[in-house]
Amino acid sequence: GENVEQHPSTLSVQEGDSAVIKCTYSDSASNYFPWYKQELGKGPQLIIDIRSNVGEKKDQRIAVTLNKTAKHFSLHITETQPEDSAVYFCAASKGGSYIPTFGRGTSLIVHP
Amino acid sequence: ETGVTQSPTHLIKTRGQQVTLRCSSQSGHNTVSWYQQALGQGPQFIFQYYREEENGRGNFPPRFSGLQFPNYSSELNVNALELDDSALYLCASSLSRQNTGELFFGEGSRLTVL
Repeated sequence: GENVEQHPSTLSVQEGDSAVIKCTYSDSASNYFPWYKQELGKGPQLIIDIRSNVGEKKDQRIAVTLNKTAKHFSLHITETQPEDSAVYFCAASKGGSYIPTFGRGTSLIVHP
Repeated sequence: ETGVTQSPTHLIKTRGQQVTLRCSSQSGHNTVSWYQQALGQGPQFIFQYYREEENGRGNFPPRFSGLQFPNYSSELNVNALELDDSALYLCASSLSRQNTGELFFGEGSRLTVL
């Protein structure tokens, strides 16, 4: 089955800095890569996703890049704000059922 | 449009007992997935239901079972509870025929097994 590795487990930045979270996946057939944000006491919420037919996608301050050859993808958050503090999960899945395998999460802490 | 709701939010059980967790999917969604999230870990897929039929199952023993009802709400049942079953149980709904793959999660049911 699919295996998703995520690094780092904890990331501490100053407000205004950029944050990068990296993930690798094992199944070359995976073609859908969502990123979820989980705030304390809440369920995960989709913040951005990318499909295997594109290499990069941006949405305001967040962007995701995908390298299919190397089987890794990354989340980039620019101009971080305290409200970006949360746990971020990457995931990978194959088309059809869209049942994602999640990484172990990155706790992002943005200091004011 | 109502979101995904789960009940109960917290519960405490003892080893060997049975538990039932409930989930109401987002309006218009016909697919429900259940995940187990241990402390400090990512969600682990338990199973998925599509139109009342199990549509996929993760690496969980048979004492984890589920149901989906005609209104697309769902239950997760766990028999013979073990200490390691202590976790946050998340329900997520989706409209399987949409092309986005997005899962809409509830806030979860936190189960503590003593």
